[in-house]
Amino acid sequence: GESVGLHLPTLSVQEGDNSIINCAYSNSASDYFIWYKQESGKGPQFIIDIRSNMDKRQGQRVTVLLNKTVKHLSLQIAATQPGDSAVYFCAELHYYGGSQGNLIFGKGTKLSVKP
Amino acid sequence: DAGITQSPRHKVTETGTPVTLRCHQTENHRYMYWYRQDPGHGLRLIHYSYGVKDTDKGEVSDGYSVSRSKTEDFLLTLESATSSQTSVYFCAISAPTSGNTDTQYFGPGTRLTVL
Repeated sequence: GESVGLHLPTLSVQEGDNSIINCAYSNSASDYFIWYKQESGKGPQFIIDIRSNMDKRQGQRVTVLLNKTVKHLSLQIAATQPGDSAVYFCAELHYYGGSQGNLIFGKGTKLSVKP
Repeated sequence: DAGITQSPRHKVTETGTPVTLRCHQTENHRYMYWYRQDPGHGLRLIHYSYGVKDTDKGEVSDGYSVSRSKTEDFLLTLESATSSQTSVYFCAISAPTSGNTDTQYFGPGTRLTVL
């Protein structure tokens, strides 16, 4: 498979536990934030997004929290499963026109789930 | 997978040779993007397109050119490949999420090795 990130921060959790992956972003003017999951040998897969006017959004087994005061984003995964093992990226979007913008990615965190 | 395919999926070439990577989408999306992914750098934008024959540079455009002669195809060309262009290349399209915000969805990637 692809080596998408050597020397990435790593989070190791037990199957069934909750996982929290953190991300610090750089631009206080960012409008929109996204979490992606990338499995070995595959492209990034959209998980969940959140607008800058929100502080929490929930999906299926995932929750994203946004703290604009400290420019911090987190992804919480409930009841982590082996299939959740992957590299997780946060991305911030700066709009440049209409609904489009430039996506700036973080370096990623590797989540390993122990059975 | 947002109807995105990339070809070839793997390529090995020699320094100085031209290389063209193809991204094909089936859902008539207006915006298309090319990224490269390298350990320690995450995903970085090379070029993007906002319509047929409409393209613009991204963060790391030097040494790359793009063309979009029809909506479904976005080509990335390395005119004279260098070893520093060894990377995994991802194509992306922009499409609405369930929350009606446009986000980017990625193809499976092309692993390019320049010897």
